[in-house]
Amino acid sequence: KAGVTQTPRYLIKTRGQQVTLSCSPISGHRSVSWYQQTPGQGLQFLFEYFSETQRNKGNFPGRFSGRQFSNSRSEMNVSTLELGDSALYLCASSSENRATNEKLFFGSGTQLSVL
Amino acid sequence: DAKTTQPNSMESNEEEPVHLPCNHSTISGTDYIHWYRQLPSQGPEYVIHGLTSNVNNRMASLAIAEDRKSSTLILHRATLRDAAVYYCILVILNSGYALNFGKGTSLLVTP
Repeated sequence: KAGVTQTPRYLIKTRGQQVTLSCSPISGHRSVSWYQQTPGQGLQFLFEYFSETQRNKGNFPGRFSGRQFSNSRSEMNVSTLELGDSALYLCASSSENRATNEKLFFGSGTQLSVL
Repeated sequence: DAKTTQPNSMESNEEEPVHLPCNHSTISGTDYIHWYRQLPSQGPEYVIHGLTSNVNNRMASLAIAEDRKSSTLILHRATLRDAAVYYCILVILNSGYALNFGKGTSLLVTP
C-alpha cells in the first residue's frame, strides 16, 4: 500500500506570492490533517478535513486555507506569503472518524522557503 | 488544552534501554496518550499509544502511571536508528486529529 504522498518536496517562493501544496492520503483514508513545522515553534496543527469538510482548525491566520476532494486528496494554500511561512509542511492521513486510538500516517513533507 | 512536558534531549548508549518520560498532569479521563517519533528528514511515525494500562508492541513499551499524570516510553535496546525526536501527545476525545505535538525529546544514541 502506498504511503502518504506530498508534492512538491521542495518549493521556493518570494514574499507576497501564493502557494498550493498537495497531499494524497493512503488509499481508503478519509481524514487528512496538515501541520507546520519550524525550528522555533515545532509541529503545529493547521487544519483537518474529513469527507471534504473542514473538521478542525488550528490557530493560523486566514491566509492559510485548505480543501479536500471527493477522492480524499487534499490541498493547502497559503496566500500573500511572508518570510515566517518558511517551514516544513506535513500532511497526515488516518482511516476512521474521530477514533482516538487511530494512528496518523505522515508524509515526508513539503519544504517551503520564502525569500 | 491538556499539555505534555518532556525533556528537551536525552542521550543513550547503543543496546542499552532508554526511558523517555512525559508529564501530562492535566490529562482528562478520556484522553489517550500517544507517542510518535520523527527521524531526520522524515515525517513523524506512530510508535505506541495507551489509555490506562501499560502497552507493548514490537517497537516499544508504554508505562502509564496509576494516576495517569505521567507516562514513560521504553525502548528496550536502543539502536542508532532510534535516534530521533520523540513526541508524547494527548489525543483528546471529540477533538478530531488536532494534535498538539509540542517540542518533543531529541534522543541521541551513541555507539
